[in-house]
Amino acid sequence: AQSVSQHNHHVILSEAASLELGCNYSYGGTVNLFWYVQYPGQHLQLLLKYFSGDPLVKGIKGFEAEFIKSKFSFNLRKPSVQWSDTAEYFCAVNGDNAGNMLTFGGGTRLMVKP
Amino acid sequence: DAMVIQNPRYQVTQFGKPVTLSCSQTLNHNVMYWYQQKSSQAPKLLFHYYDKDFNNEADTPDNFQSRRPNTSFCFLDIRSPGLGDAAMYLCATSRDRQGVFVEQYFGPGTRLTVT
Repeated sequence: AQSVSQHNHHVILSEAASLELGCNYSYGGTVNLFWYVQYPGQHLQLLLKYFSGDPLVKGIKGFEAEFIKSKFSFNLRKPSVQWSDTAEYFCAVNGDNAGNMLTFGGGTRLMVKP
Repeated sequence: DAMVIQNPRYQVTQFGKPVTLSCSQTLNHNVMYWYQQKSSQAPKLLFHYYDKDFNNEADTPDNFQSRRPNTSFCFLDIRSPGLGDAAMYLCATSRDRQGVFVEQYFGPGTRLTVT
């Protein structure tokens, strides 16, 4: 079975600080990887996705993530966070043996102080 | 705009009283999902429909049922809600393209309270 770990449960940053949220998964086959964001009171929205090709993917709002296959990781980064980035961030994986199933990590709650 | 719509956004039910949550989509996606998300936890897949084919996750309680009368609508029925079923219920959709997985689009969720 696949699993996804997000080791940082809560992160507090000041505006303009750099962000890196960790995501590790456990599955040895081919994977599709996603980061979703959930702003307070809103629904889950896709930030970015990796299916194949360039392991450095760029998403909306200045976010990017890097797939490192050897480390089973897909960390999310942003060079300079804004107050409006305050949200919960979920990493998710779909393995090639999982059909339509998406497995989510436990989420990281980010608070950005103005 | 094409979207995933969930009604109601907030639902209060009594312990043991059946409740139905609804989801509709204007994306014309062939796959629809129901997730349960408890506070500060990851969404957990309950089941999904691939077209009309129902797929139940192994650990989804029998208390939870689902119906998909047509492409656009999907319902989640909780036959006898317990206090532990209080959660946010998320509906999602995706378009399966010849077995290639694509991203899922989520609705705003229905927050269920059980009294």
